[in-house]
Amino acid sequence: ETGVTQTPRHLVMGMTNKKSLKCEQHLGHNAMYWYKQSAKKPLELMFVYNFKEQTENNSVPSRFSPECPNSSHLFLHLHTLQPEDSALYLCASSRDREGGYTFGSGTRLTVV
Amino acid sequence: ILNVEQSPQSLHVQEGDSTNFTCSFPSSNFYALHWYRWETAKSPEALFVMTLNGDEKKKGRISATLNTKEGYSYLYIKGSQPEDSATYLCAFVMEYGNKLVFGAGTILRVKS
Repeated sequence: ETGVTQTPRHLVMGMTNKKSLKCEQHLGHNAMYWYKQSAKKPLELMFVYNFKEQTENNSVPSRFSPECPNSSHLFLHLHTLQPEDSALYLCASSRDREGGYTFGSGTRLTVV
Repeated sequence: ILNVEQSPQSLHVQEGDSTNFTCSFPSSNFYALHWYRWETAKSPEALFVMTLNGDEKKKGRISATLNTKEGYSYLYIKGSQPEDSATYLCAFVMEYGNKLVFGAGTILRVKS
C-alpha cells in the first residue's frame, strides 16, 4: 500500500451508465491529481487540485467530472462514456512541488 | 506542447549487466525532473526528484544525473537484477505550475 487508495480496482460500465471513481489519501498532501493511461500512450494528466481547488483541467471532455470535497478525497464522476475512454485511471497526491508523487494502484476501466 | 522523450522504448538485459536510459525534456522553464519505477500490477514509485543542473542522485544500485541546460537526464542501473524489471518513467515539471508531464517510459526486462 502506498498511502493512496483507489476504488474500485476494476470497473466495467455501459455507455449509458453513471459511475464514480474514488481516491483517498491520508498522507497530509495538499495536491491531488487524476491521470489516464491508454494503451501504448504516456500517462496523461487530466485534473489537478490544490487545497481542494481545481487548478488544472487538461481539456478533458465534460463526461468526466472531478470532485474534491476535501484535501484527502478525490472523485472522478463518469457518465455517457465512450469505448475509447477505456483505460487505466491513476490518482496521485503530493505535498508540494518539491517532492515526488504518491500514486494509487489505479482503476482499470472498460466501457462496453 | 511539452515533449518528454525517453529512449530506448524497451531493453532486455542479462542479470548482472549495467544499463542506462535517457530522458529528454525542454530546457526552458525547467523546475524539476522526476524518475519513477512502475512494476506490473503495482503503483508507480518515485525514485528521484532532481532540480539542480549537474545533480546526481543515488539509491542503491540506481543513480541518475541531470543536465538542465541541454535538457536531458540519465538513469543508470548497475548490476541489473530480475527484480529491476519494470517500466521506468521520467516526468518534467515546468517552472510555473506543479503538474508532471510524463514520457512514454522505458520497459526494462532483466533475464536471470
